[in-house]
Amino acid sequence: AQSVTQPDIHITVSEGASLELRCNYSYGATPYLFWYVQSPGQGLQLLLKYFSGDTLVQGIKGFEAEFKRSQSSFNLRKPSVHWSDAAEYFCAVGPYSGGGADGLTFGKGTHLIIQP
Amino acid sequence: GAVVSQHPSWVICKSGTSVKIECRSLDFQATTMFWYRQFPKQSLMLMATSNEGSKATYEQGVEKDKFLINHASLTLSTLTVTSAHPEDSSFYICSAPRGIYEQYFGPGTRLTVT
Repeated sequence: AQSVTQPDIHITVSEGASLELRCNYSYGATPYLFWYVQSPGQGLQLLLKYFSGDTLVQGIKGFEAEFKRSQSSFNLRKPSVHWSDAAEYFCAVGPYSGGGADGLTFGKGTHLIIQP
Repeated sequence: GAVVSQHPSWVICKSGTSVKIECRSLDFQATTMFWYRQFPKQSLMLMATSNEGSKATYEQGVEKDKFLINHASLTLSTLTVTSAHPEDSSFYICSAPRGIYEQYFGPGTRLTVT
């Protein structure tokens, strides 16, 4: 069965500092990998996704993630965080189904706190 | 961009009653929608897949008689929590896929059963 581990429940970062959120997955085949952000009162917003090709993926809001197959990791990074980045971040994995519709398996999330 | 709405955003009901939650894709059609459940400080857990024109498929451990799903049209799926109990209190989120493996999530519905 597929699973996603986000080892950090909370992370506190000073505004302007760099950020890395960790994600490890377990999946028996080629996975689709995603990072979502959840803010109170709003739906999950897709930051970026990885299907294949270049292992460094650029997303919205200045985020990027790197897929490392050997480490089964898909860590999210941002060089300089803003106070508006404070939110809950979820890593998710989905089965490779050629673009078909399948539900996702989510990690437990990392709560990002930004210090002024 | 694509938008998915949910209604209501927050509902309180008494134990033993039923509650219906709507999920709509506002500017695209979705033959499939997904229902997730999120407990406080927890991950989203896939409950079921709603299929237009056919029965929903439920994940293991999810009671299909308790969580009734109806995909009424290409833009609407409903989740009815029947005979709700306090342990059903949770945050319910729907999503609809569009394009190449892109899913759009609704804002969620917080259900509190007293």
